[in-house]
Amino acid sequence: GEDVEQSLFLSVREGDSSVINCTYTDSSSTYLYWYKQEPGAGLQLLTYIFSNMDMKQDQRLTVLLNKKDKHLSLRIADTQTGDSAIYFCAESRRGGFKTIFGAGTRLFVKA
Amino acid sequence: EAGVVQSPRYKIIEKKQPVAFWCNPISGHNTLYWYRQNLGQGPELLIRYENEEAVDDSQLPKDRFSAERLKGVDSTLKIQPAELGDSAVYLCASSLPGQGGSYEQYFGPGTRLTVT
Repeated sequence: GEDVEQSLFLSVREGDSSVINCTYTDSSSTYLYWYKQEPGAGLQLLTYIFSNMDMKQDQRLTVLLNKKDKHLSLRIADTQTGDSAIYFCAESRRGGFKTIFGAGTRLFVKA
Repeated sequence: EAGVVQSPRYKIIEKKQPVAFWCNPISGHNTLYWYRQNLGQGPELLIRYENEEAVDDSQLPKDRFSAERLKGVDSTLKIQPAELGDSAVYLCASSLPGQGGSYEQYFGPGTRLTVT
């Protein structure tokens, strides 16, 4: 079946790197996404990776994909207090007919 | 450019009452989604529209939920009658087909529904 799992909480110190992990079960997943949700707001797409890639970097964000293990991670370099939010991993198949979201990882950044 | 607009932002109703949520997607986005987000969970798709056609409503509880997207722009999601378990945040999102077939969804701020 389709399932996306994430750890619920992560706490880091300001300036450190954060690594948020995600596992998924659907081997036909084509696109893997990371969304950010701040309190009282909707989800904001941070980045996504196509399944034929194993890494994507965008400024402070690095996404790593291990398709064999169905494992996705998001690394945030030089984490700031403004990065405190809930981060959702999501996957979809080609065409995006259905996007499955994880339960989200709440990132706490300590000053 | 304006983002996805939803109203109201908050709604408190008694059980068995009806409630409606409204969504205005980003201009030009032909795909519109309604999601329900329970506390501590990720969004779960209720219905997806391509223009005015509902192409995936398999997760919509049709005995009490209904949706429409007349003219393929704004959309309304209705619950009648509401139950205690319907308390959640209802998110609307819109998208265009992205490069290579990805669907980058843009979310509104949501409507937080509390049923008492």
